[in-house]
Amino acid sequence: DSGVTQTPKHLITATGQRVTLRCSPRSGDLSVYWYQQSLDQGLQFLIHYYNGEERAKGNILERFSAQQFPDLHSELNLSSLELGDSALYFCASSGGEGTGYGYTFGSGTRLTVV
Amino acid sequence: GDSVTQMEGPVTLSEEAFLTINCTYTATGYPSLFWYVQYPGEGLQLLLKATKADDKGSNKGFEATYRKETTSFHLEKGSVQVSDSAVYFCALSPNRISNFGNEKLTFGTGTRLTIIP
Repeated sequence: DSGVTQTPKHLITATGQRVTLRCSPRSGDLSVYWYQQSLDQGLQFLIHYYNGEERAKGNILERFSAQQFPDLHSELNLSSLELGDSALYFCASSGGEGTGYGYTFGSGTRLTVV
Repeated sequence: GDSVTQMEGPVTLSEEAFLTINCTYTATGYPSLFWYVQYPGEGLQLLLKATKADDKGSNKGFEATYRKETTSFHLEKGSVQVSDSAVYFCALSPNRISNFGNEKLTFGTGTRLTIIP
């Protein structure tokens, strides 16, 4: 157990639907990062939150949004889902504002859009 | 922008063989460098890291040396085991001080390693 908890582990949904992925960071970590891992695109950075504030945004679609709550857990919302959104979505946390110490990853949510 | 170029896979080796997975990077300043490992069905785990030039990261028999002159961070292991079969990712993060607000990790494409008994 890495200490980063992601739920659900698996999600199957239809095109056009909306889903919410949840991440609880490791105790004491203030930063949360979201990544998408697909077979053809590798690991793509989506967004970074630090202590409730958005800090960096990567290749995140407008249909996707995220937030970090006062208790530091984070949610990634994916809407108007398309087949191409099927992927593994990882959350990671780290102890400080930067990443010099590396991340701790959760085990991911596998999203299948049918 | 920052980028990481990693040895193409898949790589298949026999048990006890010597392993090298090449990784080179492009970044401004002095990034931190990492190797992550992903076992089947799991998330990524930090394998080792180096935060400045000439640092050597090591863990579980794996080693990598931060070479600024060649912008490389090659992963090596002297004798691989079947349990080392996994996907290995090289990654970098920008220097914290000069890149505040842009601390994302940039990953290579991953190298799938299979060890045959």
